[in-house]
Amino acid sequence: EMVMTQSPATLSVSPGERATLSCRASQSVSSNLAWYQQKPGQAPRLLIYGASTRATGIPARFSGSGSGTEFTLTISSLQSEDFAVYYCQQYYMWPPLTFGGGTKVEIK
Amino acid sequence: EVQLEESGGGVVRPGGSLRLSCAASGFTFGDYGMSWVRQAPGKGLEWVSGINWNGGSAGYADSVKGRFTISRDNAKNSLHLQMSSLRAEDTAFYYCARPSGSSIPSYFASWGQGTLVTVSS
Repeated sequence: EMVMTQSPATLSVSPGERATLSCRASQSVSSNLAWYQQKPGQAPRLLIYGASTRATGIPARFSGSGSGTEFTLTISSLQSEDFAVYYCQQYYMWPPLTFGGGTKVEIK
Repeated sequence: EVQLEESGGGVVRPGGSLRLSCAASGFTFGDYGMSWVRQAPGKGLEWVSGINWNGGSAGYADSVKGRFTISRDNAKNSLHLQMSSLRAEDTAFYYCARPSGSSIPSYFASWGQGTLVTVSS
């Protein structure tokens, strides 16, 4: 099974600052990597797919990079609505499709 | 607009069974694979099962293999998850999720709001 490891578990950031979230795969997933945002009481929302392509309607302050086993989600200038939990997911190898454990971005 | 609406959740005793459904609208259901993803309260996301566009191929997480069965009815735009031999660790919100295309391995562009399954005596 492909194991996805996210770090850090919690990231404390001030509004307007940059946030950098990491996701590591136990084996190469090429660019078959997606990022999701989830707020309390809501379903996840797709942010990024193909490691670096923003989904429809996602602001340009969200960017994804990486390939193989190392990936990064960057939020260039955190807005109040960006405080949430972020998950990465690989869709290169299945079953199963696998998610990382999540990174909670909280207000500093 | 893509809409996915889950139903069928509830409280069930360990060892019991439950059938979840997902009603889809706003897109051509038969063109897409579909999956179920679950989330235990306060925990992360876990893919449970997926099925391709015509039901000819399906996959399961090891944690549910042999106990859960995914199916679909393209004529009724509906997805189902038959769950049996339920355990306490199956307690979770169950989301219906639509990938980007007809096959199973994909990212999930659309999600339902989830239905809560609680396994408790």
